[in-house]
Amino acid sequence: DAGITQSPRHKVTETGTPVTLRCHQTENHRYMYWYRQDPGHGLRLIHYSYGVKDTDKGEVSDGYSVSRSKTEDFLLTLESATSSQTSVYFCAISEGDRGRLSSYEQYFGPGTRLTVT
Amino acid sequence: LAKTTQPISMDSYEGQEVNITCSHNNIATNDYITWYQQFPSQGPRFIIQGYKTKVTNEVASLFIPADRKSSTLSLPRVSLSDTAVYYCLVGADAEGGYNKLIFGAGTRLAVHP
Repeated sequence: DAGITQSPRHKVTETGTPVTLRCHQTENHRYMYWYRQDPGHGLRLIHYSYGVKDTDKGEVSDGYSVSRSKTEDFLLTLESATSSQTSVYFCAISEGDRGRLSSYEQYFGPGTRLTVT
Repeated sequence: LAKTTQPISMDSYEGQEVNITCSHNNIATNDYITWYQQFPSQGPRFIIQGYKTKVTNEVASLFIPADRKSSTLSLPRVSLSDTAVYYCLVGADAEGGYNKLIFGAGTRLAVHP
């Protein structure tokens, strides 16, 4: 399996609380992604990074911010968590080309289950 | 609005061939079509990828018509272990020349004895 870890694996938090999820890779892949997975919606891209300090928005970026200060780490922050952000969050990595992102195989982490009460 | 559409669920029996179709009207002209498999409590895993016509690997085939507005994942002789959710992924044209990643909502395949 690709060396991708996510932390924490489970988290329960209260509405209005800031939350940070971490993705760590040991594969030295340039691209990193954050997705959320919800019943009926499949996987939806939140943000992705194409290099250190280089990020771009995905389909559902409102309410989320990201940071990438090192190649191996990609952080997802919910500044003020809401119940609608209850979901399973997946990190993924790949090689890539911003002009044709889906052409590169993505390797997914094990996921973080976040519950906002 | 870029979108992909897949059947929500399918049922099959061991030993049968299963075909799952994904429609993707707004696919970017320069991007590939990729399919992923996901088991419960795990992240998705790559199955197969193609640009046009037919691609085959050790686990599946992928059929893509000339207009590339759809693709069909074919799983030959499924077994119980193929019970999973299957997702198609495409790139769609977006502003600035950079494609957007669009996953389908997934097809839940149940294989019965």
